[in-house]
Amino acid sequence: EIVMTQSPAALSVSLGERATLSCRASQSVSSNLAWYLQKPGQAPRLLIYGASTRAAGTPARFSGSGSGTDFTLTISSLQSEDFAVYYCQQYDHWPPLTFGGGTKVEIK
Amino acid sequence: EVQLVESGGGLVQPGGSLRLSCAASGFSLSSYEMNWVRQAPGKGLEWVSDINSSGSVRYYADSVKGRFTISRDNAKNSLYLQMNSLRDEDTAVYYCGRVPMAASSYHYNYLDVWGKGTTVTVSS
Repeated sequence: EIVMTQSPAALSVSLGERATLSCRASQSVSSNLAWYLQKPGQAPRLLIYGASTRAAGTPARFSGSGSGTDFTLTISSLQSEDFAVYYCQQYDHWPPLTFGGGTKVEIK
Repeated sequence: EVQLVESGGGLVQPGGSLRLSCAASGFSLSSYEMNWVRQAPGKGLEWVSDINSSGSVRYYADSVKGRFTISRDNAKNSLYLQMNSLRDEDTAVYYCGRVPMAASSYHYNYLDVWGKGTTVTVSS
């Protein structure tokens, strides 16, 4: 089973600032990585797939990069609606699908 | 509007059973691979099960194998999760999710549409 590790667990960022979230896989997952955003009391929402392809409706301020074992989600200028928990998920070696533990982006 | 709506959650005693349903609208379920994902209170996301578009191939997490059964009725545009021998650690919000058709063709599995979830509480 591939273990996904996200860092940091929590990130305090001011409105308009840049946020950088990391996700590491225990072995290579090629570019088969997705990012999701989850707000309190809501279902997750797909942001990025294929490590860097924005899903329909994902604003351009979200960008994904990386391949192999190390991945990054960057939010170029944080808006109020971006404060949430972000999860990465690999789909290169499944079953099982595996998710990272999440990064909570909080207002500074 | 493309939508998934889960139902069937509730309070059940350890060892009991529940059947979750996921109703699809705005698209034809028969064309899509589907998944169940759960989230324990205050915890992260955990994949539970996957079923291909025809229902002929099913996968399960080790934590539920032998206890849970995923199924679908494409004529009713519905997905199901039969949960038996429930344990305290099965307490969670259960989400159903859709895999994009283009992804399925490559054996890729990420979820582009999610339901709002149904809550399962296992407690005596």
